[in-house]
Amino acid sequence: KNQVEQSPQSLIILEGKNCTLQCNYTVSPFSNLRWYKQDTGRGPVSLTIMTFSENTKSNGRYTATLDADTKQSSLHITASQLSDSASYICVCNEGNNRLAFGKGNQVVVIP
Amino acid sequence: GAGVSQSPRYKVAKRGQDVALRCDPISGHVSLFWYQQALGQGPEFLTYFQNEAQLDKSGLPSDRFFAERPEGSVSTLKIQRTQQEDSAVYLCASSLGRVLTYEQYFGPGTRLTVT
Repeated sequence: KNQVEQSPQSLIILEGKNCTLQCNYTVSPFSNLRWYKQDTGRGPVSLTIMTFSENTKSNGRYTATLDADTKQSSLHITASQLSDSASYICVCNEGNNRLAFGKGNQVVVIP
Repeated sequence: GAGVSQSPRYKVAKRGQDVALRCDPISGHVSLFWYQQALGQGPEFLTYFQNEAQLDKSGLPSDRFFAERPEGSVSTLKIQRTQQEDSAVYLCASSLGRVLTYEQYFGPGTRLTVT
């Protein structure tokens, strides 16, 4: 059973628009949550890491939020660019040397 | 090197063949992880090394899968008697520290296709 669920599975947005990706997790105990960006044919690259005590963290046009009470996180992309087309993966640290990965949100930015 | 490198980038194997996938982690990184990523899925944990010690191999799907890191640097993932269900991208990641609070840096992956 996947402990990290992401939605929407895929979305298409116009260049310059904003979008928000959702992540729900059931991992327990919970140490930290990460968002990765994976371009086609490449390995994932970290965008943000948040511990359970952090509510929000930004990295340029990417802003992640975390609600540890509801076990939800979101990744907001502002003023999307064509290079934002990628899979965005939500990852939870189970605290036992394992990371639980979601299936990813596939984002396509069109001009 | 500048990052984690993996070779080969692509591998096509006939069913029943043995394959060996190589990972060169970032120099000085203590921890090394192998993941399997099926098409359209997130990575799935296979195994974890701390230096040369394989501390967790519980994610390896069968005894056909074997990983080693004999000198605590380069690692090899070997798959014996490949099956079609082994077709996937195999990702390697390394991190500086011994615990998962450290950032993991991923290689580009090896895409294995078993025909």
